[in-house]
Amino acid sequence: LAKTTQPISMDSYEGQEVNITCSHNNIATNDYITWYQQFPSQGPRFIIQGYKTKVTNEVASLFIPADRKSSTLSLPRVSLSDTAVYYCLVGDTRRDDKIIFGKGTRLHILP
Amino acid sequence: SAVISQKPSRDICQRGTSLTIQCQVDSQVTMMFWYRQQPGQSLTLIATANQGSEATYESGFVIDKFPISRPNLTFSTLTVSNMSPEDSSIYLCSVEFLAEAGELFFGEGSRLTVL
Repeated sequence: LAKTTQPISMDSYEGQEVNITCSHNNIATNDYITWYQQFPSQGPRFIIQGYKTKVTNEVASLFIPADRKSSTLSLPRVSLSDTAVYYCLVGDTRRDDKIIFGKGTRLHILP
Repeated sequence: SAVISQKPSRDICQRGTSLTIQCQVDSQVTMMFWYRQQPGQSLTLIATANQGSEATYESGFVIDKFPISRPNLTFSTLTVSNMSPEDSSIYLCSVEFLAEAGELFFGEGSRLTVL
C-alpha cells in the first residue's frame, strides 16, 4: 500500500478555493486515489476518486499529474460547513487492498 | 449508497466487561470492515469481517480481544472483550459494494467510554 503525506492542518476563509495536496511517491500502477471527508462525530464520507488527470463532481475536483506521485483536492468557494478532516488514500480494492487511512488534513474555515 | 445502522451509538462500560456492537446494512454488501478511531486521531483498521468465516485481523488486533461475526451479507458484530480504559474509542463499521470498489460507506460510529 502506498504511503500518503498531507499537511496536518490548513486554514482558509469562506468563499475561497482550497487546495489540499497529498504526496504518494510510491503509488503503484493499479492504485486509485480517493479522498474522504469527516465531520466531528460522524464517519468519513467519500468525496472523490481518480486515477489520472482530472476528475470533477458536484463537491470537488481532483487533479492528478502525469507521474501520479501527488494529487490535489480542490474545494471551490468553501463555506464554514466545509470545516472537517480530509483524508487522502491510495490503493486498489479491486485487488483486495485494504483501505488504510493516514493522518488526514484538518481544514478550518474562518468567517 | 447504503444506510448503515450501528448499535449502541454510545455506552459507558466498566473495566473488565465486554460489549458487542452491531452493524446492520439495508442492502447486501461485498465487504464489511471495522475501524477504531481514538479521540483526535485517524482511523485504524481492526479487521475485515468475512461472511461465514473468521475475520481477518490487522497487526495489533487479535480475535480473543475483538471477536467478530458476520453471519450474512448485511450484518456484523464486533465485541470488545475485557475492556480497559485504553479501549475507550469510537468504533466504526464500514461497507463496500463490489460495483463501487474503493468507496467505503460508514456508520455513525459507536462511542465507548471505559471507566
